[in-house]
Amino acid sequence: NAGVMQNPRHLVRRRGQEARLRCSPMKGHSHVYWYRQLPEEGLKFMVYLQKENIIDESGMPKERFSAEFPKEGPSILRIQQVVRGDSAAYFCASSPSGWTGELFFGEGSRLTVL
Amino acid sequence: AQRVTQPEKLLSVFKGAPVELKCNYSYSGSPELFWYVQYSRQRLQLLLRHISRESIKGFTADLNKGETSFHLKKPFAQEEDSAMYYCALKGAGANSKLTFGKGITLSVRP
Repeated sequence: NAGVMQNPRHLVRRRGQEARLRCSPMKGHSHVYWYRQLPEEGLKFMVYLQKENIIDESGMPKERFSAEFPKEGPSILRIQQVVRGDSAAYFCASSPSGWTGELFFGEGSRLTVL
Repeated sequence: AQRVTQPEKLLSVFKGAPVELKCNYSYSGSPELFWYVQYSRQRLQLLLRHISRESIKGFTADLNKGETSFHLKKPFAQEEDSAMYYCALKGAGANSKLTFGKGITLSVRP
């Protein structure tokens, strides 16, 4: 069973461009979580999704950021009109339906905004 | 609101020394507490959870509701314990998110 897959692992964008980060959860997992890691900040919760539903987006910036987890395909974290402050590592985690007490993490996607 | 505080960024000890990684939390209800670990060039993974009351790789953690703490302890550190450790809290409710502390780097010197 492949683990959580994130791509791209590294993404470079210029200010004003769009960034799309993808996350394929573990097989059989229907819950996806996105976290952002800034230097000296640890892991900050962004959004929690189930298939076709956003359960909790309390950590998402109000503008430019969006996330989806369609019925088919990976979860997508989309950042429009990126700014330098968006440079960070973005981690995706998944869990099976129903809370088991454990999140399974991907290796992360590092976004650099020039 | 739920909050996790890990007051130290770095702990450096010699092999064989005891280790205590501090974690304090703020939550009005009954939380679930966890420790996650990230070894060099590996993914973040669950180390242990308070509900299980188990010892993993010699580490234990006891939930102290009076002090709102969940410190991670190991009596004799090993070099392979060197890693980044995160304390995490999940609130009550099936859809409650997992909130992480800022993490602490444990360095075990030979």
